[in-house]
Amino acid sequence: DQQVKQNSPSLSVQEGRISILNCDYTNSMFDYFLWYKKYPAEGPTFLISISSIKDKNEDGRFTVFLNKSAKHLSLHIVPSQPGDSAVYFCAASAGKDSWGKLQFGAGTQVVVTP
Amino acid sequence: NAGVTQTPKFRILKIGQSMTLQCTQDMNHNYMYWYRQDPGMGLKLIYYSVGAGITDKGEVPNGYNVSRSTTEDFPLRLELAAPSQTSVYFCASNDPHASGEYTDTQYFGPGTRLTVL
Repeated sequence: DQQVKQNSPSLSVQEGRISILNCDYTNSMFDYFLWYKKYPAEGPTFLISISSIKDKNEDGRFTVFLNKSAKHLSLHIVPSQPGDSAVYFCAASAGKDSWGKLQFGAGTQVVVTP
Repeated sequence: NAGVTQTPKFRILKIGQSMTLQCTQDMNHNYMYWYRQDPGMGLKLIYYSVGAGITDKGEVPNGYNVSRSTTEDFPLRLELAAPSQTSVYFCASNDPHASGEYTDTQYFGPGTRLTVL
């Protein structure tokens, strides 16, 4: 039972443009959401997170938006750079009752073209 | 800090063989985790530990065992390897309360790519 879904397996974007990655979840108990970035042959690295008490969190070029009523979050990368080419995973946890038990989406491969 | 280190990077096993995947972290994190990632899928939690001597099952624990005798080390044991265990294995660690505010940000090792033939 996939509780976190990333329905777009891949995304191609031109350098300088905006990348928008989407993630949907089904478990209403999720209250903490994260995005991880993964390069080939490396482990995932943390990118940005958001708590369910917020609807937006920004860190430099990266912004995560959370729509709790729609059970949807998105990651915006502006402007996209060649170094952003990677697989991006959305993850969620149910907070205190499930500390550490992250549920991951299947990932979205982003390719930034010159 | 080296962060989270994993050995080996690659391994090929025959069906029925056993092996231990090593994981060490030098961040003094209490929580440690083992995940597997199959092609085209997200990471799935195998086992986790909230401190030395304390371990618990994750989503996909069958065929695996763990132990946690020190804060730094969290080895994953595969007994009687099967082709279904062909995957990339990631170890991670964190301390959810380190900053005084809850965070589930986990720090991952580089992974071990295991093939069972």
